[in-house]
Amino acid sequence: GDSVTQMEGPVTLSEEAFLTINCTYTATGYPSLFWYVQYPGEGLQLLLKATKADDKGSNKGFEATYRKETTSFHLEKGSVQVSDSAVYFCALRQYSSASKIIFGSGTRLSIRP
Amino acid sequence: NAGVTQTPKFRVLKTGQSMTLLCAQDMNHEYMYWYRQDPGMGLRLIHYSVGEGTTAKGEVPDGYNVSRLKKQNFLLGLESAAPSQTSVYFCASSDHPSRVDTGELFFGEGSRLTVL
Repeated sequence: GDSVTQMEGPVTLSEEAFLTINCTYTATGYPSLFWYVQYPGEGLQLLLKATKADDKGSNKGFEATYRKETTSFHLEKGSVQVSDSAVYFCALRQYSSASKIIFGSGTRLSIRP
Repeated sequence: NAGVTQTPKFRVLKTGQSMTLLCAQDMNHEYMYWYRQDPGMGLRLIHYSVGEGTTAKGEVPDGYNVSRLKKQNFLLGLESAAPSQTSVYFCASSDHPSRVDTGELFFGEGSRLTVL
């Protein structure tokens, strides 16, 4: 079945460091891919998305490229801030079924001032 | 901009008690979902609904029931709470997914349930 695997956390970085959170997936067909972010005490919110191969999603300085050849959707940011501290979830959605929304286990990111 | 609203936000139950979590969305979305979030396990789908009057089981439906009598509301019930149901529960909604729409999920802020 479909699955999403993302790197284990927690990840701790200093402010202005470069961030990569790895995400790989297994899926049939052509799912859409998402990164959601969960700030402390809040629900998940969409960070960025990509709907087809080679698409690049971007928002708030974060980027991720839909790589079908490597089945990956790694999240990157060139210079992180303390306010980026949160839990990040990679997810895929299949349009063939309403229930086919698969989340990774989440990666907790902490940024030191 | 209410979006998705969950009530209550916190609740403590004793084993065997029952309760209902209410989810309300004001975006006229067709699809609604209930997830539970446990440490190290990400989000797991409990039940979902693709429209008013319809519900279906997700990945972990045992011990829960749901109803969608109105399009904007999706209720999650625990008939006889167990300590294993201690978790944070999230409701989400989305428009009908299609190749045009991105299929983004909109989440509530969560309901923290503790079963003693």
